[in-house]
Amino acid sequence: DAKTTQPPSMDCAEGRAANLPCNHSTISGNEYVYWYRQIHSQGPQYIIHGLKNNETNEMASLIITEDRKSSTLILPHATLRDTAVYYCIAYSGTYKYIFGTGTRLKVLA
Amino acid sequence: EAQVTQNPRYLITVTGKKLTVTCSQNMNHEYMSWYRQDPGLGLRQIYYSMNVEVTDKGDVPEGYKVSRKEKRNFPLILESPSPNQTSLYFCASSFGVRYGYTFGSGTRLTVV
Repeated sequence: DAKTTQPPSMDCAEGRAANLPCNHSTISGNEYVYWYRQIHSQGPQYIIHGLKNNETNEMASLIITEDRKSSTLILPHATLRDTAVYYCIAYSGTYKYIFGTGTRLKVLA
Repeated sequence: EAQVTQNPRYLITVTGKKLTVTCSQNMNHEYMSWYRQDPGLGLRQIYYSMNVEVTDKGDVPEGYKVSRKEKRNFPLILESPSPNQTSLYFCASSFGVRYGYTFGSGTRLTVV
């Protein structure tokens, strides 16, 4: 599965959109992009995933570039409860899910 | 409520004393997996199971055993725990490889 690269940390003002980037330049055609977040030491929480089309659900939107080398997770109106570590994963279905070190998002009041 | 339940949440044990961390899911998921999380090393997969009686090693399987005799349960067994197995452990389950995973609340294990 492709390696992903994320910035180690980001800040976002409460109420503003949080845009979390992920680079996956070596992604292959059958690899999906998944996003999870982990609040403190709780179990990671699934957010969204996509292959090549943009996706939206009640939590977030996922924008994948046309060449699929990068993606952005968008939290449209960040709240303090969105403060967490966000993980981007490129996954082909080999049952081996590789979590990187993620982006620590801090939402500021 | 759909969930993955791990027990115990916290455990302190001594080196060499066999222990089992239980994991149970009520979503009829076929896929289950165990992870450990350590500072600076992130989440690393220990073992996974694609279905009943089908298990395979993840990235850090040494010192651990698993079994999948029923679909809902996937216990993690430490036959002879050592201090380097002190960690935060998570169990996860999913319908399959193209679905998101549901994680348990974690088990914080300390081996002294």
